[in-house]
Amino acid sequence: KNEVEQSPQNLTAQEGEFITINCSYSVGISALHWLQQHPGGGIVSLFMLSSGKKKHGRLIATINIQEKHSSLHITASHPRDSAVYICAALSPYGGSQGNLIFGKGTKLSVKP
Amino acid sequence: DTGVSQDPRHKITKRGQNVTFRCDPISEHNRLYWYRQTLGQGPEFLTYFQNEAQLEKSRLLSDRFSAERPKGSFSTLEIQRTEQGDSAMYLCASSLLLTTSETQYFGPGTRLLVL
Repeated sequence: KNEVEQSPQNLTAQEGEFITINCSYSVGISALHWLQQHPGGGIVSLFMLSSGKKKHGRLIATINIQEKHSSLHITASHPRDSAVYICAALSPYGGSQGNLIFGKGTKLSVKP
Repeated sequence: DTGVSQDPRHKITKRGQNVTFRCDPISEHNRLYWYRQTLGQGPEFLTYFQNEAQLEKSRLLSDRFSAERPKGSFSTLEIQRTEQGDSAMYLCASSLLLTTSETQYFGPGTRLLVL
């Protein structure tokens, strides 16, 4: 079982739909990242959060430390949101300090 | 562009050849990470540096892989005697360590294909 699990693996939505991507982790973390990866490989950090909720434009990320669960929401989705969204846990411990443990990603396709 | 850069962006090589990739981090960042990503998978940690010191290496990093960051700025990742299983996207990221929860900034990656 992976230490960071994402669901769904693939998601197709119609433009305008509200989208939720889920991330569960089994390791202790100091923070959790949500990353966006476009075709061709470039990765952009969307959020880093260790508690509560963050919002940036149409993107909202939440985390529940007790339940070891985080969600990424996209409101009023648009075709340009089509990308792979990756959840990554930041390990706080010892020699692994600063290393990210990645989920496999959720491939989102938003149709016009 | 003052982000993380990687060179080359693409590399095709024959099995058994050596390849070297370069990563230039954001200039004031003291941490530099190498990750590998195969098709359909999330990235996997390979190694990281704090300044010029290599602090940790993943068990994924076999003896054929070596990474350096000689002056605490750019880094190189060399793969000797490449194998087809080395085909992947190699990602570099950098961060400024202020707390344990720093944001990592990723480069565009080097896509390696071993024939």
